[in-house]
Amino acid sequence: DAMVIQNPRYQVTQFGKPVTLSCSQTLNHNVMYWYQQKSSQAPKLLFHYYDKDFNNEADTPDNFQSRRPNTSFCFLDIRSPGLGDAAMYLCATSRVRSRDSNQPQHFGDGTRLSIL
Amino acid sequence: AQSVTQLDSHVSVSEGTPVLLRCNYSSSYSPSLFWYVQHPNKGLQLLLKYTSAATLVKGINGFEAEFKKSETSFHLTKPSAHMSDAAEYFCVVSVGTGRRALTFGSGTRLQVQP
Repeated sequence: DAMVIQNPRYQVTQFGKPVTLSCSQTLNHNVMYWYQQKSSQAPKLLFHYYDKDFNNEADTPDNFQSRRPNTSFCFLDIRSPGLGDAAMYLCATSRVRSRDSNQPQHFGDGTRLSIL
Repeated sequence: AQSVTQLDSHVSVSEGTPVLLRCNYSSSYSPSLFWYVQHPNKGLQLLLKYTSAATLVKGINGFEAEFKKSETSFHLTKPSAHMSDAAEYFCVVSVGTGRRALTFGSGTRLQVQP
């Protein structure tokens, strides 16, 4: 089945130690998104890639970076994690053409990040 | 600007009884509307979407929603709740074309009692 896969499902890192979360997709979608979701809250968009075009949300901290080496893979890098960065991180994809009405996003199961 | 309000943070029903999760939206233009479900420690799964076709939208697992422009509502219903329906539900709105971001409601936690 075509899907969005996130690895690892659970990640523990130390305060200030860089960490990378990964996302891969077999849907061949042109847009990939990263969301942060804290407990009992809605997901919050951090940034997205439209093909190779990177789009950062205005309030995303500089501590968060992303890479998309090819259509199938996207990475979330947190350079110096703080305690407030503990959350579920969700990757999503969609197929978007500029004139389309909004297409739904397809989500992975997320990576739960804990900070020691 | 667009926004979405989920009117109940928690809903509790008995198994076999109807489910109603309420959602109101605000948008200057014709919106696309979605309902997603999230089970514990899982990602979001699309239940159904409205994109200006039929106002009554049928989704997966017996859920449906009706778009009412006059009431700016998009409530989610199901005739008979199952235990497996217990989860968090998000109403989501998006406006315009292309790659615009989704605007999420705050979520409704559905509990199903045996």
